[in-house]
Amino acid sequence: EPEVTQTPSHQVTQMGQEVILRCVPISNHLYFYWYRQILGQKVEFLVSFYNNEISEKSEIFDDQFSVERPDGSNFTLKIRSTKLEDSAMYFCASRPTSGLANTDTQYFGPGTRLTVL
Amino acid sequence: LAKTTQPISMDSYEGQEVNITCSHNNIATNDYITWYQQFPSQGPRFIIQGYKTKVTNEVASLFIPADRKSSTLSLPRVSLSDTAVYYCLVGAGSGGYQKVTFGTGTKLQVIP
Repeated sequence: EPEVTQTPSHQVTQMGQEVILRCVPISNHLYFYWYRQILGQKVEFLVSFYNNEISEKSEIFDDQFSVERPDGSNFTLKIRSTKLEDSAMYFCASRPTSGLANTDTQYFGPGTRLTVL
Repeated sequence: LAKTTQPISMDSYEGQEVNITCSHNNIATNDYITWYQQFPSQGPRFIIQGYKTKVTNEVASLFIPADRKSSTLSLPRVSLSDTAVYYCLVGAGSGGYQKVTFGTGTKLQVIP
């Protein structure tokens, strides 16, 4: 069964450093997402991406964050200058195209645990 | 987005059937009901989705009454590996790129 993959599984960085989290969505999916989950809290939406542009973003996704699809397979989340409160699990997800536009079937990757020291 | 309400936690013994009910009184006509499962330190995993009546797959069954104001996820004969958080979600039906909004979910603990 096709899967969303994410690298690295764990990233440790110093406060103020830039990090890039990488995702390979399921091929032929066209909708891509990033979510985060702070330890012990809910999964929170960050951003959705379609047709090479951001389609929606949350208030968490401020100017420190950016997303990119540099080629036909990768989808990246960049945090320009990390803060302690950015420490969380970051999940990438992708969604298959479907004639049923109202379905929410997103497929999540295993996550990258980001630790900011 | 329709708000969902589900129990915070449930305990069950191995081998029993577990039913988790979710309330969504404000569900819209074109909304679907979707359940996800999340193991610790893993991403949420799609389990099942339905619109009305009953849906069954190899993992679970989903029961939706005619008024669609609630739904019940049924897990047959649970095992220890079913210990996870289960999320009930109701779609806004506004477009193909819509985000998934997670609540706090139901933490299921399966006891040997």
